[in-house]
Amino acid sequence: KQEVTQIPAALSVPEGENLVLNCSFTDSAIYNLQWFRQDPGKGLTSLLLIQSSQREQTSGRLNASLDKSSGRSTLYIAASQPGDSATYLCAVPNQTGANNLFFGTGTRLTVIP
Amino acid sequence: ETGVTQTPRHLVMGMTNKKSLKCEQHLGHNAMYWYKQSAKKPLELMFVYNFKEQTENNSVPSRFSPECPNSSHLFLHLHTLQPEDSALYLCASSQVSVGDNEKLFFGSGTQLSVL
Repeated sequence: KQEVTQIPAALSVPEGENLVLNCSFTDSAIYNLQWFRQDPGKGLTSLLLIQSSQREQTSGRLNASLDKSSGRSTLYIAASQPGDSATYLCAVPNQTGANNLFFGTGTRLTVIP
Repeated sequence: ETGVTQTPRHLVMGMTNKKSLKCEQHLGHNAMYWYKQSAKKPLELMFVYNFKEQTENNSVPSRFSPECPNSSHLFLHLHTLQPEDSALYLCASSQVSVGDNEKLFFGSGTQLSVL
């Protein structure tokens, strides 16, 4: 069974700093990997989706990379802002369907003004 | 707004009550999902519907009963729940077809408390 791990569980940084969130998965036979953002008590918002054939995806200040062979992905956030404070989750599909996802427990990010 | 609406936002129920959670998507998607999010645990997939047909039941107890009357609506009927069922229940939708890997769109969730 696929297992997804995210380290660290929580991270605090001063505003303006660049930061990296880590995600690792045990089964490298994945269709894709998604990064989500979750604000407290709210649903998830999809940030980036990387196909298995891609190495990275970029959206604004966010850049996600994927290394299938090592079972790792990183989410890089440039010039962090207080509005980036949220929990960030990564997820990979299981064998039965591209969107039946296994989630990590997330990294809770706090950006201090 | 993500285009996926869940009601109610909050629900408190006793163990003998029967209640239903509702989800509606306005995105024209053909797949809908129920996920459970408990404190300090990863999101758990509960049910998947593709084209209104249930394609996955992730060993969910029978006290949770899903219903998908059409591709835009999804319900989760609750009966005789336990306190450990207290969690955030999230609905999601996506457009799924052969070879596609589309993003999931989530609703804001129903925060359920079982007393």
